[in-house]
Amino acid sequence: GENVEQHPSTLSVQEGDSAVIKCTYSDSASNYFPWYKQELGKRPQLIIDIRSNVGEKKDQRIAVTLNKTAKHFSLHITETQPEDSAVYFCAASLQTSYDKVIFGPGTSLSVIP
Amino acid sequence: EAQVTQNPRYLITVTGKKLTVTCSQNMNHEYMSWYRQDPGLGLRQIYYSMNVEVTDKGDVPEGYKVSRKEKRNFPLILESPSPNQTSLYFCASSIQRGGTDTQYFGPGTRLTVL
Repeated sequence: GENVEQHPSTLSVQEGDSAVIKCTYSDSASNYFPWYKQELGKRPQLIIDIRSNVGEKKDQRIAVTLNKTAKHFSLHITETQPEDSAVYFCAASLQTSYDKVIFGPGTSLSVIP
Repeated sequence: EAQVTQNPRYLITVTGKKLTVTCSQNMNHEYMSWYRQDPGLGLRQIYYSMNVEVTDKGDVPEGYKVSRKEKRNFPLILESPSPNQTSLYFCASSIQRGGTDTQYFGPGTRLTVL
């Protein structure tokens, strides 16, 4: 079945620097890749997503890139702010069984003021 | 207000005592799903439902049951809870095929099984 790996598990950056989180997936049939942000004690919330027919997507300070050949996708956060501190989860959805969603184990991002 | 609600938010129980966690959404979403969240393991899908009376297993269905008799409700049933089911549980819904659309999560239910 599908497996999603995520690195690093923890990440600390200085305010204003960029943060990059990488995920790899195993099933080439996966076609939808969302990223969720979960603040401490709160529910996960979608921050950006990308589909397999697109290589890159941006939304203000957040961008996601997808390399289908290498089966990896990355989250890029520029000009980080303290409120970006949270746990970030990537996920992959299988085209062959595309109601099942597999999440990565998460990355805890700390932005140091 | 569009939302996904879960009850109870916190529950402490004992091994073997049947329990139900309710989930309800008011967005007329077809797709609903249950996840459990454990440290270092991320979110793991337990069961999902594409519509009324249609449910399927996720990655970790053992020890759980679900039902979807109405579109808005998707209860999670633990018939004989065990300590390894101690976890944070999230219900989620989306407008269509959940794997390819934004999922909206409920506030979570923290379950402790003694």
